[in-house]
Amino acid sequence: DAKTTQPNSMESNEEEPVHLPCNHSTISGTDYIHWYRQLPSQGPEYVIHGLTSNVNNRMASLAIAEDRKSSTLILHRATLRDAAVYYCILRDLDDKIIFGKGTRLHILP
Amino acid sequence: EPEVTQTPSHQVTQMGQEVILRCVPISNHLYFYWYRQILGQKVEFLVSFYNNEISEKSEIFDDQFSVERPDGSNFTLKIRSTKLEDSAMYFCASSEGEGPFRVGAFFGQGTRLTVV
Repeated sequence: DAKTTQPNSMESNEEEPVHLPCNHSTISGTDYIHWYRQLPSQGPEYVIHGLTSNVNNRMASLAIAEDRKSSTLILHRATLRDAAVYYCILRDLDDKIIFGKGTRLHILP
Repeated sequence: EPEVTQTPSHQVTQMGQEVILRCVPISNHLYFYWYRQILGQKVEFLVSFYNNEISEKSEIFDDQFSVERPDGSNFTLKIRSTKLEDSAMYFCASSEGEGPFRVGAFFGQGTRLTVV
């Protein structure tokens, strides 16, 4: 039931921006794009979500392609604390969140 | 900042015993969830709960599992007769709204269940 495709892992240098891609070519008009992350030994943590327009919050920005078939989570200035597994998830009008394998982000000091 | 609280953080139980995992969701939230994560594997959906009833459940959530919101603040997951394969981290989550007001879900830190 994987509706999104993400790279297995990515690396980034500390204090540099990180762009985490997600493809969701079969997205439907009612699907919201959600991002969560899971830090080591912790529960999943909500990051951001959007429908059509780009979104910003204190944690990150979400850039959504015009056709909505892909999106990018942007961490503006990565810190070591941002090392985690990042999940891109589509949520329809049902209420469950289905996690895939996500992208494991490594931050290099 | 409000948070989802889970107790205990670690539970060890003998195979065949009943366990109850407890969660206190964020107070104004209306939607509640249980997930589990076997070591090294994906986070798996178990059940969602709204308006005092189960709204959806996965294949994992068989007759051995039940959920309850006994007093308007706690949300519990009961496993009637634990099996070795029930060993996992169990995460509770809550969400304020759904549908047009869809927002993120907030997760607790989890209960590590070890069945021996």
